[in-house]
Amino acid sequence: NAGVMQNPRHLVRRRGQEARLRCSPMKGHSHVYWYRQLPEEGLKFMVYLQKENIIDESGMPKERFSAEFPKEGPSILRIQQVVRGDSAAYFCASSEGQGENYEQYFGPGTRLTVT
Amino acid sequence: KNQVEQSPQSLIILEGKNCTLQCNYTVSPFSNLRWYKQDTGRGPVSLTIMTFSENTKSNGRYTATLDADTKQSSLHITASQLSDSASYICVVPRVGGYQKVTFGTGTKLQVIP
Repeated sequence: NAGVMQNPRHLVRRRGQEARLRCSPMKGHSHVYWYRQLPEEGLKFMVYLQKENIIDESGMPKERFSAEFPKEGPSILRIQQVVRGDSAAYFCASSEGQGENYEQYFGPGTRLTVT
Repeated sequence: KNQVEQSPQSLIILEGKNCTLQCNYTVSPFSNLRWYKQDTGRGPVSLTIMTFSENTKSNGRYTATLDADTKQSSLHITASQLSDSASYICVVPRVGGYQKVTFGTGTKLQVIP
């Protein structure tokens, strides 16, 4: 059973370009969370999705950021018109169910560098 | 205010030695407390999950304790190995889910030969 997959592992974008980060949850998991981690800081919650639904996006900037988790395929975190401050590691986690009693499994992360 | 505080912020120990990391929390109501290990450049990996009724739980060389009365938890690492070098993060999700949970920077442990 493969773990949470994220790709690409490293992504370099120039200011103003778009970044697309992909996350394939563990098999059987329909709950996906995205977190951002700045250097020397902890992970910060961005968005929580279930298949085809955004449940909570309160941690995600309202402009330039969007997320989706379609019926088929991976979850996508999209950052439009990237700026240097978007440089960070973006982690995806998946769980089997909703709520704090379900284990979250993390992917290896995507390191975004904006030049 | 719901908070989680860990100490020390960083720790250097010799290979083979034991160490104990501390976590104090004020999150209420309490559901569970999790310890994660995050290697540099990797995603967090869960080590233990402590519920209200559990005082001690072991996972190999890792032993976690929980005192729900004082709202304190500790993670004890026995016979440390070089591969234990990582950040150890205590997370107390709010009842209702992981939303709005912030992982702290944890304790950065370095095991040296």
